[in-house]
Amino acid sequence: KNEVEQSPQNLTAQEGEFITINCSYSVGISALHWLQQHPGGGIVSLFMLSSGKKKHGRLIATINIQEKHSSLHITASHPRDSAVYICAVNPQGAQKLVFGQGTRLTINP
Amino acid sequence: DGGITQSPKYLFRKEGQNVTLSCEQNLNHDAMYWYRQDPGQGLRLIYYSQIVNDFQKGDIAEGYSVSREKKESFPLTVTSAQKNPTAFYLCASSAQGGGTQYFGPGTRLLVL
Repeated sequence: KNEVEQSPQNLTAQEGEFITINCSYSVGISALHWLQQHPGGGIVSLFMLSSGKKKHGRLIATINIQEKHSSLHITASHPRDSAVYICAVNPQGAQKLVFGQGTRLTINP
Repeated sequence: DGGITQSPKYLFRKEGQNVTLSCEQNLNHDAMYWYRQDPGQGLRLIYYSQIVNDFQKGDIAEGYSVSREKKESFPLTVTSAQKNPTAFYLCASSAQGGGTQYFGPGTRLLVL
């Protein structure tokens, strides 16, 4: 079993829909990251969080440390949000990230 | 502009050949990382370096080598011992280990 599990693996939605991507992890962590990988391969860091909730534009990330779970939400989704969204964690005491398999999101116009 | 660059964008390797992928950053970051991504799979850590002249093996270091002689540069050599080198290689850096990582655009390595 992977230390970081994402669901769903693939998600297709219509423009304007509210999107939720989930991430569960099995180790103690110091931080959790959400990343976005565009079709060309480039990766952008969206959020780094260790508690609570962060918001940037239409993106919201939440984390529940006790339940070892995080969610990434996209409001008013748009075709340009189509990408692979990756959850990664910093295990406590480690200086490297452990990555989930990614969620491929497709938003149709 | 501050950022992290990788070159080349595409690289072709012949059987038995060593190739070197370049990664340069001007963000003054201490930590640098190399990842491999195969189709449909997550990122896997090859090597990482938290400071100049020091580096550690990641999860899939066999068949690869690195150096960290300068803070800005962390080249990755794919040696002939790596039997399945075709993949997308991503370099990243962070101000310190465990912090937000900034990724380069990646290099696609193909075997002829």
